[in-house]
Amino acid sequence: RKEVEQDPGPFNVPEGATVAFNCTYSNSASQSFFWYRQDCRKEPKLLMSVYSSGNEDGRFTAQLNRASQYISLLIRDSKLSDSATYLCVVNSPGGYQKVTFGTGTKLQVIP
Amino acid sequence: GAVVSQHPSWVICKSGTSVKIECRSLDFQATTMFWYRQFPKQSLMLMATSNEGSKATYEQGVEKDKFLINHASLTLSTLTVTSAHPEDSSFYICSAKSSGKGTYNEQFFGPGTRLTVL
Repeated sequence: RKEVEQDPGPFNVPEGATVAFNCTYSNSASQSFFWYRQDCRKEPKLLMSVYSSGNEDGRFTAQLNRASQYISLLIRDSKLSDSATYLCVVNSPGGYQKVTFGTGTKLQVIP
Repeated sequence: GAVVSQHPSWVICKSGTSVKIECRSLDFQATTMFWYRQFPKQSLMLMATSNEGSKATYEQGVEKDKFLINHASLTLSTLTVTSAHPEDSSFYICSAKSSGKGTYNEQFFGPGTRLTVL
């Protein structure tokens, strides 16, 4: 089983739609979780951290389910500019606090 | 902010030559820097982790003699691809962590270096 798994998509949604992505992780000892956004041929950029209590930032909501070992990202009122690949990132417990990236979920918002 | 720069942004070289990529944290001291590689339509794969003043820790399958990493200061790490071959063509991205910046375990990424080996 992969350390971090995501549905690669693509998710094609119309403008204004709500879309949700899930990501599962295999190491139950993981403590830090993030969603990054990566535009084509660019570096990843932090979208939001995921806290145990869940967190919301504008149209974006992230949640963590430790029992089932998954995190989710919900995007409401999708904009064309939301089109990107969303990377799930989970820390790997151990030395140097390295993280593992999922393969990403591609979102395409259609006019 | 927490700005990380990389140089060069792209490079084309002949097979057999060596290429050096620099990664700098511009406005903070990076206690740890990471080097990733990303092939088309794939995710970032960690190559190695480096801490200032110590040897890099390489991931399984990454040849340390081929990918030389030097982290000589708290703001600079370099990756040298030695005797590059076409299969080394990829997008190389560095990231940096700082205890004083960002959330726990957050990494700040450089803009990446696209390497093409002919």
